[in-house]
Amino acid sequence: DAGITQSPRHKVTETGTPVTLRCHQTENHRYMYWYRQDPGHGLRLIHYSYGVKDTDKGEVSDGYSVSRSKTEDFLLTLESATSSQTSVYFCAISEQGGASYEQYFGPGTRLTVT
Amino acid sequence: DQQVKQNSPSLSVQEGRISILNCDYTNSMFDYFLWYKKYPAEGPTFLISISSIKDKNEDGRFTVFLNKSAKHLSLHIVPSQPGDSAVYFCAAAGGTSYGKLTFGQGTILTVHP
Repeated sequence: DAGITQSPRHKVTETGTPVTLRCHQTENHRYMYWYRQDPGHGLRLIHYSYGVKDTDKGEVSDGYSVSRSKTEDFLLTLESATSSQTSVYFCAISEQGGASYEQYFGPGTRLTVT
Repeated sequence: DQQVKQNSPSLSVQEGRISILNCDYTNSMFDYFLWYKKYPAEGPTFLISISSIKDKNEDGRFTVFLNKSAKHLSLHIVPSQPGDSAVYFCAAAGGTSYGKLTFGQGTILTVHP
């Protein structure tokens, strides 16, 4: 299994508070991704990174920001959490991001915004 | 605009029989397709993939078929086992950089003993 951890695994927070989720990898893969999973929507890309300090938006990026200061860590921040951001968040990594499209996923973080 | 669609939210199959999961796509730039399997409280795990230069790829009990003209792919599981019960996502890639995947909504497969 790819070495990917996510923290925290579960979090309950209040509307309006900032929240940061962490993804840590030990595989030295260049590409990292944040997804959210919601019923009826599958997995939707929030943000991704193609190198240290190189990030870009996915299809559902509003209300989220990311940072990647080291190869192994990719942080997802909800600047002011809303109930619509209650979801399960998955981090994924990829070795090449081009010729090989396989992504390896972390165990997920279940976030509840009350 | 859902570019990858799995129109069956759920599928129920008897153990030993064939499971067929379907996926349709609209973006003609997609040239690589993957299937992921997800158990509750775990992350998705890669199952099998196919490039658009092929129309079939096999790996043990799992076979993926690609019909480019119909923009349709399917995953066949033969024989189905109770441990195959999970959510299956199809994903597509191509036409963009950085290996981004577009996922379908998922199909819940239940295999009954």
